[in-house]
Amino acid sequence: KQEVTQIPAALSVPEGENLVLNCSFTDSAIYNLQWFRQDPGKGLTSLLLIQSSQREQTSGRLNASLDKSSGRSTLYIAASQPGDSATYLCAVMGSQGNLIFGKGTKLSVKP
Amino acid sequence: GAGVSQTPSNKVTEKGKYVELRCDPISGHTALYWYRQSLGQGPEFLIYFQGTGAADDSGLPNDRFFAVRPEGSVSTLKIQRTERGDSAVYLCASSAIVGGTNEKLFFGSGTQLSVL
Repeated sequence: KQEVTQIPAALSVPEGENLVLNCSFTDSAIYNLQWFRQDPGKGLTSLLLIQSSQREQTSGRLNASLDKSSGRSTLYIAASQPGDSATYLCAVMGSQGNLIFGKGTKLSVKP
Repeated sequence: GAGVSQTPSNKVTEKGKYVELRCDPISGHTALYWYRQSLGQGPEFLIYFQGTGAADDSGLPNDRFFAVRPEGSVSTLKIQRTERGDSAVYLCASSAIVGGTNEKLFFGSGTQLSVL
């Protein structure tokens, strides 16, 4: 059974710092990996999707990498801003199309 | 519509009652997912539809939970004999399938279910 772990569970940084969020998964037979953002009381917003054949994806200040063989992904956020404060969720898609989530990293960026 | 729509946004019911939660996916999205999320936790997978059929229902916790998608668009999650432990936010998501590959998921705002 696929298990997804995110470290750290919470992170507080001053504005302007570059930061890295970590995600690991137990079954490397995945189709893709996705990073989402969730604001309090809201649904999830997709940030980046990395197909299993890809190594990384970039969108603006966000860069996500995937090392499928070691079961790891990182989300890099450059020059963090208070508006980046949210919970970031990592999810992996298995062979049946189901998407399994980690518990998330709660990020707080202080002005 | 432009996004995934879930109704109602809030549902309060009494223990033992039956509830239905509705999801309208993005038009043309063949994949539809149901999740539930408790406070401080990641979304917990319940069921995944491709078209009208359930491709994976391994996340449904027990036989009180059932979901349908009869015409391959709108889906209804049905919970019988509700229990207090069913209280959570129920999230629906949809995605396109292009060349056999699932694309990004788009989530609705969820239904907050409270069982008293």
